[in-house]
Amino acid sequence: QVQLQEAGPGLVKPSETLSLTCTVSGDSISSTTHYWSWIRQPPGKGLEWIAYIYYTGDANYNPSLKSRVTISIDTPTNHFSLRLSSVTAVDTAVYYCARWEVSSLSHDYWGQGTLVTVSS
Amino acid sequence: IQMTQSPSTLSASVGDRVTITCRASQTTSSWLAWYQQKPGKAPKVLIYMASTLKSGVPSRFSGSGSGTEFTLTITSLQPDDFATYYCQNYNSYFPWTFGQGTKVEI
Repeated sequence: QVQLQEAGPGLVKPSETLSLTCTVSGDSISSTTHYWSWIRQPPGKGLEWIAYIYYTGDANYNPSLKSRVTISIDTPTNHFSLRLSSVTAVDTAVYYCARWEVSSLSHDYWGQGTLVTVSS
Repeated sequence: IQMTQSPSTLSASVGDRVTITCRASQTTSSWLAWYQQKPGKAPKVLIYMASTLKSGVPSRFSGSGSGTEFTLTITSLQPDDFATYYCQNYNSYFPWTFGQGTKVEI
């Protein structure tokens, strides 16, 4: 059974960097048939794709966040990470990591999500 | 690509047939997925490639469309179906985009 689990601080101060890690179990993050995504959802609002990464390290970013976002992957430990710099209150959201399946072009497994609040 | 869902909110009763529309600002071929999200939970994929039902998803859910207009239909709405539904496009040249969501309420 594939499982993804987000981890990281629940509270980040304005102007600081948000850092989250997603640990994958039940699948190899080196799979050639999957990409690995970060998606966020502000309270009471819709979903926003942030970035994805392939096991090779190839990545793609949402242009609206690209200047502040770094996604990375660590194949030996089977996890991938997100860093979002210079955060403000508008970055307060539930952050999800998810697996994107090449054959279906959809996110087929998701983590439970972690709420990150930006506040002093 | 912008993805616009309609309606934003839909009031329906158990047993109703429900249709949600997703329009893309540029053609996205058939590369569209539909997700269901319940409060406090992660989204769950229902339909991929516009019309393929994900294994384990009830057959009352169906998807159709291509190019710029897509629909999700729920025949005979069940109590478990009251949730928010999102479409998401895939295009290798543009970032993945979600629609703004459609809340199906009683």
